[in-house]
Amino acid sequence: NAGVTQTPKFRILKIGQSMTLQCAQDMNHNYMYWYRQDPGMGLKLIYYSVGAGITDKGEVPNGYNVSRSTTEDFPLRLELAAPSQTSVYFCASSYLQGSQPQHFGDGTRLSIL
Amino acid sequence: GNSVTQMEGPVTLSEEAFLTINCTYTATGYPSLFWYVQYPGEGLQLLLKATKADDKGSNKGFEATYRKETTSFHLEKGSVQVSDSAVYFCALSSGAGSYQLTFGKGTKLSVIP
Repeated sequence: NAGVTQTPKFRILKIGQSMTLQCAQDMNHNYMYWYRQDPGMGLKLIYYSVGAGITDKGEVPNGYNVSRSTTEDFPLRLELAAPSQTSVYFCASSYLQGSQPQHFGDGTRLSIL
Repeated sequence: GNSVTQMEGPVTLSEEAFLTINCTYTATGYPSLFWYVQYPGEGLQLLLKATKADDKGSNKGFEATYRKETTSFHLEKGSVQVSDSAVYFCALSSGAGSYQLTFGKGTKLSVIP
């Protein structure tokens, strides 16, 4: 059981470039999330999805976009990379919201230069 | 809004020492509380959780009790091992209908032989 799989693990982008961070889960979870983790800080929610075709903004959505065409996949898109988006990005999923724990991928370390 | 405050690290302990990592929270309603652990180069893993007042979560020798009167969820372990070296995050979810985990900033624990 792979759980939550994120690709790539590392990436360096130039300012203004775009890219898509991939996230897939095989646990048939309806809820999926994207977080960013900055040094010395906790995780901040970027976007979340409650099911295929339904997404919503989290705490820090500016500069990002998401889509959810299937239950399994939840890609995160950076359209015009900026240095402020240098961070570690984590995808997570859960069976339900609230008291149910979230299951995390291993993260994508992204540097914008 | 919701917030989580946990003791700042880093914390360095000798093997077999007693561990306490303090966590206090501010939330509306009846939140669920979590401790997540992040080992180097990995994503977050659920360590333990508690969903109502006076609940005690436990796992791998770690314990935390949900104290509503003091709005606290302190993490404890009686005898730490080198393999416990990691970053520990306290988090809350404010209940049914809440999609967001609110995280503390994390506490880095290093255990030396």
